[in-house]
Amino acid sequence: QQQVKQSPQSLIVQKGGISIINCAYENTAFDYFPWYQQFPGKGPALLIAIRPDVSEKKEGRFTISFNKSAKQFSLHIMDSQPGDSATYFCAASKRSYIPTFGRGTSLIVHP
Amino acid sequence: EPEVTQTPSHQVTQMGQEVILRCVPISNHLYFYWYRQILGQKVEFLVSFYNNEISEKSEIFDDQFSVERPDGSNFTLKIRSTKLEDSAMYFCASSERQGRSYNSPLHFGNGTRLTVT
Repeated sequence: QQQVKQSPQSLIVQKGGISIINCAYENTAFDYFPWYQQFPGKGPALLIAIRPDVSEKKEGRFTISFNKSAKQFSLHIMDSQPGDSATYFCAASKRSYIPTFGRGTSLIVHP
Repeated sequence: EPEVTQTPSHQVTQMGQEVILRCVPISNHLYFYWYRQILGQKVEFLVSFYNNEISEKSEIFDDQFSVERPDGSNFTLKIRSTKLEDSAMYFCASSERQGRSYNSPLHFGNGTRLTVT
């Protein structure tokens, strides 16, 4: 069973703080781990992605940390801003490139 | 920036009726997908489509569902006899290529909210 477990379900952070969202997967055949950001009324949009041959990828304030042995990966949002308030989905896929999504984390960043 | 467009944005239908959800993928994309998201739950894969045929489908995509690319631009999802539990947000997505390339993310539309009463 392909499954991606995501936590927490919701997260409230003060402006300037660090938001951390965690995901765990079961299928060791997964080889691509994207994060999607979804604003209300919109479809998910690719935010950042990582392959298992690296342990960390950083793009601006967004960082993915990847632990292959633990089968876990996480999204860190540094200096969180109110505009970051959205639902974040982790996902994982095999080479067929059809991602399996986590349940999503609703992030609220208070000004 | 090119985008995936979906119509209608909201569809209300009665149980047992047929609905067709429409999508226009990004023009140079070759792979097309339907996902659904029941309110407050995860985004679930339904089906992928390439070269005018289904390439992969999930257990959700039963005989009540069908997909079609009737012309060079539209990609449709048909639900033959809707059930209450089909109420969800349906997202269409497209990608340039699949498989060996990691630089081909899915581009999602804004979704069609289907309400079955």
